Amino acid sequence: EAQVTQNPRYLITVTGKKLTVTCSQNMNHEYMSWYRQDPGLGLRQIYYSMNVEVTDKGDVPEGYKVSRKEKRNFPLILESPSPNQTSLYFCASSPRQIDSYNEQFFGPGTRLTVL
Amino acid sequence: RKEVEQDPGPFNVPEGATVAFNCTYSNSASQSFFWYRQDCRKEPKLLMSVYSSGNEDGRFTAQLNRASQYISLLIRDSKLSDSATYLCVVNPMNRDDKIIFGKGTRLHILP
Repeated sequence: EAQVTQNPRYLITVTGKKLTVTCSQNMNHEYMSWYRQDPGLGLRQIYYSMNVEVTDKGDVPEGYKVSRKEKRNFPLILESPSPNQTSLYFCASSPRQIDSYNEQFFGPGTRLTVL
Repeated sequence: RKEVEQDPGPFNVPEGATVAFNCTYSNSASQSFFWYRQDCRKEPKLLMSVYSSGNEDGRFTAQLNRASQYISLLIRDSKLSDSATYLCVVNPMNRDDKIIFGKGTRLHILP
């Protein structure tokens, strides 16, 4: 089944404790992206990747890192989480960013709480 | 003007009614447009792409007005299962630009 998977789905952690949220897609998509969604603010892009070894900052990259060593995986790293990073996180993939009518496929989301 | 703007709602609509909402965008060079549907605490899923000539999928019709820089979504004969948040998405023209999501319009279909 074509899908985007994220792990963990739920995480409660404490300030400063490094964590990684994994994202994997099995559709051979070039483009992958991380978003956070907060009430009243909608979906905001954190980082995106056009292809392997190519990553770029989105709108809210502060406090996050990513890597794209393989096409299928795009982990999101929080080196020192803070309470303002409490949010619902979505990973998404797409065949290419720029093409007519490219659909983005989203993972199920990771609900992160930083105490 | 915000890059992509949607009325947040909620739109409370009786079952069987027709409902329409718009999404305005500021970048006239935007290339492609989509409507996504998001159920509470779930991931967004593509509802339909928006073509220049307009397109219809069952009870759903999407339109693009480039002159006035907005897209619209019309839902006919609304069902209880249509209750969700509808996100407008705008793809840029250039690779250096970013995909923009609207904040969404909440729709509640009332029995």
